[in-house]
Amino acid sequence: EVQLVQSGAEVKPPGATVKISCEVSGYTFSDYNIHWFQQAPGKRLEWVGLFDPEGGESRYAERFQGRITITADTSTDTVYMDLDSLTSEDTALYYCARDRRPTAYKSGPQAHWGQGTLVTVSS
Amino acid sequence: EIVMTQSPATLSVSPGERATLSCRASQSVSSNVAWYQQKPGQAPRLLIYGASARATGIPARFSGSGSQTEFTLTISSVQSEDFAVYYCQQYNTWWTFGQGTRVDIK
Repeated sequence: EVQLVQSGAEVKPPGATVKISCEVSGYTFSDYNIHWFQQAPGKRLEWVGLFDPEGGESRYAERFQGRITITADTSTDTVYMDLDSLTSEDTALYYCARDRRPTAYKSGPQAHWGQGTLVTVSS
Repeated sequence: EIVMTQSPATLSVSPGERATLSCRASQSVSSNVAWYQQKPGQAPRLLIYGASARATGIPARFSGSGSQTEFTLTISSVQSEDFAVYYCQQYNTWWTFGQGTRVDIK
């Protein structure tokens, strides 16, 4: 069974950095892209970035460029998202999600999702 | 950026009725559209991909249609467990979502 388990809720002051983890299991880690999405209160879901485990590369949404870093630890099948210079606008649920099809195909929709991690930015 | 616009914002239906949800893309996305269902406190669940293919384990009462810029999700006979928020997503150029349609009980 494919599972994505995210780290727990975080409360950070403005200007801080948050690091969220997503541990995957039930499949070969290197076979599928992992994405991160933001769901802020009252706003639509937004793509943040992805990790391509086959090439070891990350790609980021333009809105988050310069503040976001997505990395992975292949020894533990865990993907991490670091978001810097937090503001109140970053208060949101963050989801990791796995592509439906392996990296041999163009990345498409996401068939498996983590449970979400709530990040609250507050002084 | 490709903007996805869903309508209506809220759809009130009685159990057993048909529900039709719409999604429009600001430019052509071919058939690279997915639909997700999200219930309170849960992650999104993939229902439809490729505009019309049902994901694994999705009941046949869910169907999708459309191409280019106009897409539809139909629930042929709404069940109690279908009351939720539905999002369309395009994955033709990066990934963007609609603002959601809430399906609630009339």
